[in-house]
Amino acid sequence: GENVEQHPSTLSVQEGDSAVIKCTYSDSASNYFPWYKQELGKRPQLIIDIRSNVGEKKDQRIAVTLNKTAKHFSLHITETQPEDSAVYFCAASMIDNAGNMLTFGGGTRLMVKP
Amino acid sequence: GAGVSQTPSNKVTEKGKYVELRCDPISGHTALYWYRQSLGQGPEFLIYFQGTGAADDSGLPNDRFFAVRPEGSVSTLKIQRTERGDSAVYLCASSSTGHGTDTQYFGPGTRLTVL
Repeated sequence: GENVEQHPSTLSVQEGDSAVIKCTYSDSASNYFPWYKQELGKRPQLIIDIRSNVGEKKDQRIAVTLNKTAKHFSLHITETQPEDSAVYFCAASMIDNAGNMLTFGGGTRLMVKP
Repeated sequence: GAGVSQTPSNKVTEKGKYVELRCDPISGHTALYWYRQSLGQGPEFLIYFQGTGAADDSGLPNDRFFAVRPEGSVSTLKIQRTERGDSAVYLCASSSTGHGTDTQYFGPGTRLTVL
């Protein structure tokens, strides 16, 4: 089955700096990669996703890049703000399969210092 | 509209007891998922429902775990003979159809503690 590795496990940045979180996946058949943000004690919420037919997607201060050949994808947050502090999870799935079950990485705790 | 809801928010039980965890998906969503999140880890898939049927239960760890969705809406995750290793946050998610890139919307989770 699919295996998703995520690095780093913790990341501390100064407000205004950029943050990058990286994930690798094992199954070349995976073709959908969402990112979820989970604030302390709250539910995971989708912040951005990418399909394997594109290499990059942006939404304001966040962007995701995908390298299918190397089987890795990354989340980039620019101009970080204290409210970006949370745990971020990457995930992978095969949208051609019924159900689209997600395999998650282990998470990255991002701390943005004011 | 209302999001995914789960009850109870917290459940403390003793080893060997039986527990039921409830999930109310977003109205009209046909796909429903259960995940388990251990401390400091990402959610792990348990079971997927399409309508009333369990379309994929490959993530259930053993036969002590069972889930139902009798009317294609509310789902109940049932755990028999609980063990301390079952302690985790149990997350429910729903999506519109379960196909393509439908977003999975998560509930707040039930924190299960087995003493």
